[in-house]
Amino acid sequence: NAGVMQNPRHLVRRRGQEARLRCSPVKGHSHVYWYRQLPEEGLKFMVYLQKENIIDESGMPKERFSAEFPKEGPSILRIQQVVRGDSAAYFCASSSGQNGGYTFGSGTRLTVV
Amino acid sequence: KNEVEQSPQNLTAQEGEFITINCSYSVGISALHWLQQHPGGGIVSLFMLSSGKKKHGRLIATINIQEKHSSLHITASHPRDSAVYICAVKPEAGSYQLTFGKGTKLSVIP
Repeated sequence: NAGVMQNPRHLVRRRGQEARLRCSPVKGHSHVYWYRQLPEEGLKFMVYLQKENIIDESGMPKERFSAEFPKEGPSILRIQQVVRGDSAAYFCASSSGQNGGYTFGSGTRLTVV
Repeated sequence: KNEVEQSPQNLTAQEGEFITINCSYSVGISALHWLQQHPGGGIVSLFMLSSGKKKHGRLIATINIQEKHSSLHITASHPRDSAVYICAVKPEAGSYQLTFGKGTKLSVIP
């Protein structure tokens, strides 16, 4: 596992559908972060997770958005009932600890039509 | 005012030129990151700095903690260096959120 794997790379959803974005961290990394990049804007923090725990979700909208990082398997960012404003690039990063360097994934580009 | 300010926003250079991108921040930090993003592509972490200077190939990153300022330099620029360069800071110990600048779009013309 050379890096952070995100899938799918591109996701198209109709308004009202659900979007599920997956992130497999670097092997051995137990800290996962999700960031959102809106068109023509900078990256914004959404949520920080460790295995089976949400540590900080202060950057995540209160409704429709949820994230998990189960004991086994990838981290999932779930967006229910998507709206056009959810169209963005969603990046995942992982680290071995809070003071470690970050490795970013290639992102998932969500388009809501 | 954004906590992380980058300049310039856009930069066009001729191949071979020496390039400098600047980042200023307003909060105390434990680390500063320089990231590279190609159009439609993922994000690559170039450097993580907490003091001094780091060099990797043609890239050099410096940080002045007292002045709350960092620079990214590219020597002998090449068209493949064309990308958006993003500065991100990690606040002082106890916080883990990265705060990002809006990026500097670099175009290197052959």
